Amino acid sequence: DQQVKQNSPSLSVQEGRISILNCDYTNSMFDYFLWYKKYPAEGPTFLISISSIKDKNEDGRFTVFLNKSAKHLSLHIVPSQPGDSAVYFCAATDTGNQFYFGTGTSLTVIP
Amino acid sequence: DAGVIQSPRHEVTEMGQEVTLRCKPISGHNSLFWYRQTMMRGLELLIYFNNNVPIDDSGMPEDRFSAKMPNASFSTLKIQPSEPRDSAVYFCASTLGQLNQPQHFGDGTRLSIL
Repeated sequence: DQQVKQNSPSLSVQEGRISILNCDYTNSMFDYFLWYKKYPAEGPTFLISISSIKDKNEDGRFTVFLNKSAKHLSLHIVPSQPGDSAVYFCAATDTGNQFYFGTGTSLTVIP
Repeated sequence: DAGVIQSPRHEVTEMGQEVTLRCKPISGHNSLFWYRQTMMRGLELLIYFNNNVPIDDSGMPEDRFSAKMPNASFSTLKIQPSEPRDSAVYFCASTLGQLNQPQHFGDGTRLSIL
């Protein structure tokens, strides 16, 4: 059973606007959450993370929000750029060893 | 700074043949993971090693799959015999194995079983 879910397989956004990618999880023991970005024919690359003791973490254009009561996290990209077009994976862990990944959301930023 | 290195990048073989995928983790990393990417399940963990010891192989789909890590700088994932449904992209990742450390992925092996 999928413990981390990304219910939107794809998202299209105009350049300069905000992109919001969503992720839900079921395991309340998860305490560290990550977002990865994946271009075609490449491996996923780490983008940003958040610990369960925080509800927001920001890195430049990228902000991750965590709502523990709703078991929901989101990635905001603002402003969106064409180079942000990629597949974004959400991941979570409770041990720091085993990571659980979502199925990914394909983001297209339209110039 | 070398990242995780996987080989081959592409593998095409006939059903029933043995397939061996290789991975060199980042030097100093002590945890290594093998994933399979599918449309339905996204990145699916097959097995992971900590200090060269397999910790959890519950994700290995069948006995046809096996993985080894003979030393800290090398791991293999073998499929024998291979079947068309094994066709997927297989990723290797490594991490320091400490709390709150992200995984670093290789570029994957695209496997096609005819």
